Amino acid sequence: DAKTTQPPSMDCAEGRAANLPCNHSTISGNEYVYWYRQIHSQGPQYIIHGLKNNETNEMASLIITEDRKSSTLILPHATLRDTAVYYCIVRPWDNYGQNFVFGPGTRLSVLP
Amino acid sequence: NAGVMQNPRHLVRRRGQEARLRCSPVKGHSHVYWYRQLPEEGLKFMVYLQKENIIDESGMPKERFSAEFPKEGPSILRIQQVVRGDSAAYFCASSPQGASTEAFFGQGTRLTVV
Repeated sequence: DAKTTQPPSMDCAEGRAANLPCNHSTISGNEYVYWYRQIHSQGPQYIIHGLKNNETNEMASLIITEDRKSSTLILPHATLRDTAVYYCIVRPWDNYGQNFVFGPGTRLSVLP
Repeated sequence: NAGVMQNPRHLVRRRGQEARLRCSPVKGHSHVYWYRQLPEEGLKFMVYLQKENIIDESGMPKERFSAEFPKEGPSILRIQQVVRGDSAAYFCASSPQGASTEAFFGQGTRLTVV
């Protein structure tokens, strides 16, 4: 079972920032937070991941609270092409590796 | 998604036939994951393989399904005696190592059982 909780859906106006929350209150010290998205029926697309520091790349920013029990994915200037299901996943960092457990995610609709 | 190649993209099989789905990981990646997505549902983990080894197959049905990732060549997900309920999108992902790295997904194989 997924160890994260996300709102089932959100709307965002085109050009505005989209802030997608994720709750992971039972996260362990060795678990990373990953974000993926799936546009329509395509394969999931990696967005960003982090452990405890905030992260930024060309796609998005990831803000992780100090207690690491929640995080927010920020798409700074949402476009229509950002309409997708966004998945927040926690995954342990260890030498054995584990699979990515996908929950239902948040369906983000970017509106013109 | 760049680099993970799945083929075929679409596969139609009659009930009782075998389906073979191929996944070529990103060059240099030694870890492969298979997921299944039923229509209008989420992604469900099936199996996680490292070269020549199955690391975790807890999501794979015990019968009719098998997976391999040989030393040379692509990873294969094999479904024997397909039934209509096997109709789904099957996604493969690869990563360079198991821990602390992202996995990249292919575009999937859409299996339709008629």
